[in-house]
Amino acid sequence: AQRVTQPEKLLSVFKGAPVELKCNYSYSGSPELFWYVQYSRQRLQLLLRHISRESIKGFTADLNKGETSFHLKKPFAQEEDSAMYYCALILGFTSRAREGKESNDYKLSFGAGTTVTVRA
Amino acid sequence: NAGVTQTPKFQVLKTGQSMTLQCAQDMNHNSMYWYRQDPGMGLRLIYYSASEGTTDKGEVPNGYNVSRLNKREFSLRLESAAPSQTSVYFCASSGQMGQEKTYEQYFGPGTRLTVT
Repeated sequence: AQRVTQPEKLLSVFKGAPVELKCNYSYSGSPELFWYVQYSRQRLQLLLRHISRESIKGFTADLNKGETSFHLKKPFAQEEDSAMYYCALILGFTSRAREGKESNDYKLSFGAGTTVTVRA
Repeated sequence: NAGVTQTPKFQVLKTGQSMTLQCAQDMNHNSMYWYRQDPGMGLRLIYYSASEGTTDKGEVPNGYNVSRLNKREFSLRLESAAPSQTSVYFCASSGQMGQEKTYEQYFGPGTRLTVT
C-alpha cells in the first residue's frame, strides 16, 4: 500500500522564485520522514530528516501531523537545485534470523518522486 | 571508503535470460536493500536484509531472488528476465553510529537494465 504521496511529478520554477514540493503520508504511529535528492548522474542521497529540524542547502521541511504532510520548501530556488526529490517514511519491522533471533529494523517507503527544474 | 558499489552499471538481456546484480558495502552496515526505480512509480523496495542470514520480501519481489552472502554483499538475481523488469536498480545499506541506529540509507550508483 502506498504510504507516501507526492502529487506533483514535475515542478518547474524560475531561479530566485520560491519552490515547494508536496508530500503527504498515511501512517498509524508516530512518523519519521525524510527527503532524499538525486542530482543528474549522481546517486540518491539524504537531503534532510524531520527529527533534526535542520536547513540543508536552504531547504526546510516541517512535519504537520494534523495535515499529515511534510512539504519541502526553499524561498529562493537556484539552478543547482534541479534534481529528482523523494519523500520517504520509515516503516519498522521485525526480522527473524536463521538462529531464530528476532531483531527490530526498519525500511523506507518512498513516494513517486518530483522532478524539479529551475530555469534561469 | 568506496561506500556502496554495484556491478554492472549497464546490462541488456533478452527475455528469459538470467543474471545477478552484485552489491557490496564497506561501511560495516547490518541492513541492505534492493530497489527498482521506474518513472512515475518512484523507488520500490524489492527485497531487504536486516542482517547477515536474513532476507525479507519488499513491495515487488516477484521475479527476483536475493542472497545475503556475508555482511558486505547482497546480490539480486533475475532467474528469467521479462521486459517488465526493465528498470534502474539501486542497492542501499544502513547501519549504526555507535549505539544508535542511524536511519540514513546510503545508495549505490545504480544498474540500468534493459530486457528486450
